[in-house]
Amino acid sequence: AQSVSQHNHHVILSEAASLELGCNYSYGGTVNLFWYVQYPGQHLQLLLKYFSGDPLVKGIKGFEAEFIKSKFSFNLRKPSVQWSDTAEYFCAVNAGEYGNKLVFGAGTILRVKS
Amino acid sequence: DVKVTQSSRYLVKRTGEKVFLECVQDMDHENMFWYRQDPGLGLRLIYFSYDVKMKEKGDIPEGYSVSREKKERFSLILESASTNQTSMYLCASSSNRGYYEQYFGPGTRLTVT
Repeated sequence: AQSVSQHNHHVILSEAASLELGCNYSYGGTVNLFWYVQYPGQHLQLLLKYFSGDPLVKGIKGFEAEFIKSKFSFNLRKPSVQWSDTAEYFCAVNAGEYGNKLVFGAGTILRVKS
Repeated sequence: DVKVTQSSRYLVKRTGEKVFLECVQDMDHENMFWYRQDPGLGLRLIYFSYDVKMKEKGDIPEGYSVSREKKERFSLILESASTNQTSMYLCASSSNRGYYEQYFGPGTRLTVT
C-alpha cells in the first residue's frame, strides 16, 4: 500500500531559524504532491502543491518545497521561521492508482519559540 | 473561494447514541470525504463519495456509514457511538477538474461519554 512518511513528529525552532520538514512517499508513478498546514484552532489549508514542471514550488507565507523524484521526496522549507508559523504540517500525495484520493502523512507539529 | 461547512464545531454525545455529522460544500465539487484526525495518526479516511448516491469505504469505515443524497451535502453517521469514536472529524471536497487538491471544513470535535 502507498504510504507517506513524515520524519519528525515534533520540531521546535527559535524565530529566524531555517526549517526543513521531510516527506517521503512510496508510490513510483506519476504523483501530485501537497503540503497542508493547520494553525491552532483553524481548519486545514493548502500551503503549496506540485503537479509537474519546475520541481521547486513556492507557496504562501514564504514556504517552498522541492520534489526530488529519485528520492521520492517532497520536503518543505522556509529560510526563516516566525512565531506565527507554529502549526501542524501535513504532507499528502495523490497517485494514479488511488484515483481522486489523497494519502496523508502523520503530520509534523512545529513550535516556534519567540 | 471554496467553502466547506460542517454542522457543528463541538458535539458531546453519549455511548450508544446515533450521531449525524453534516458537511456542505458550495463549489459544485464531485468528490467529498470524511476523515478523522487523531494526534500522531494524521488524517485517516473513513468514507468518500465521488458522485451523488455513490460511496466507497476508506481505511477505517467500521462503525460509520455515510449518505450523499445531494451533490453539495455529505453526511457521516455513527449508528451507535462509542468512546473510541471520540475524535476530530474533518470533511473535505475536491474537483475532478483540477489535480484533486482537497478543501477542508473547520472540523467537528466529537466527544462520546
